[in-house]
Amino acid sequence: AAGVIQSPRHLIKEKRETATLKCYPIPRHDTVYWYQQGPGQDPQFLISFYEKMQSDKGSIPDRFSAQQFSDYHSELNMSSLELGDSALYFCASTQEGESGNEQFFGPGTRLTVL
Amino acid sequence: DQQVKQNSPSLSVQEGRISILNCDYTNSMFDYFLWYKKYPAEGPTFLISISSIKDKNEDGRFTVFLNKSAKHLSLHIVPSQPGDSAVYFCAAKFGTSYGKLTFGQGTILTVHP
Repeated sequence: AAGVIQSPRHLIKEKRETATLKCYPIPRHDTVYWYQQGPGQDPQFLISFYEKMQSDKGSIPDRFSAQQFSDYHSELNMSSLELGDSALYFCASTQEGESGNEQFFGPGTRLTVL
Repeated sequence: DQQVKQNSPSLSVQEGRISILNCDYTNSMFDYFLWYKKYPAEGPTFLISISSIKDKNEDGRFTVFLNKSAKHLSLHIVPSQPGDSAVYFCAAKFGTSYGKLTFGQGTILTVHP
């Protein structure tokens, strides 16, 4: 079965650079969530989209922005990168209205800021 | 403010025995609880979930128990297998529809042959 695809899997950037992370949800899933997991920490919710509209916002810095496109894929744009942005970034998708409620996670993008 | 807590960072169990992973939460508005398993270099994989209107849900070797009055849930794995060795995250959400997940810190389970 198709899973959530994230690209790139690894990304190395310098401080103050920008980064774009991409997420391709499971086909027919209309909701995308972004989470950030720092070293030794639990995943923290950043932002979510339902039918291409922002549905919820968590602890996402103002330097970050995200959107969901007409094909339901999502991109997380990160600017003025800081050392503390180094983390695993997970995308998850779900089909709203379906029973189960579970979110399906992608393999993550490991961002390293030097 | 950690609303979902897994107070045991690690658990070691012998193959064939029961593994019990615990999770506590502070927000009584949570309606739905999920357990995820995570291997290194992979994303979390959904295991089992439970609605706040139930006190038990079973799926094969995995059973989740919910004690709403104590704001406590546990995941039982019987029998434990070496392939179960992973990090287990407890997560909670508001409502039964869409919504963000609030995760615990995770428990590293090691199952010894």
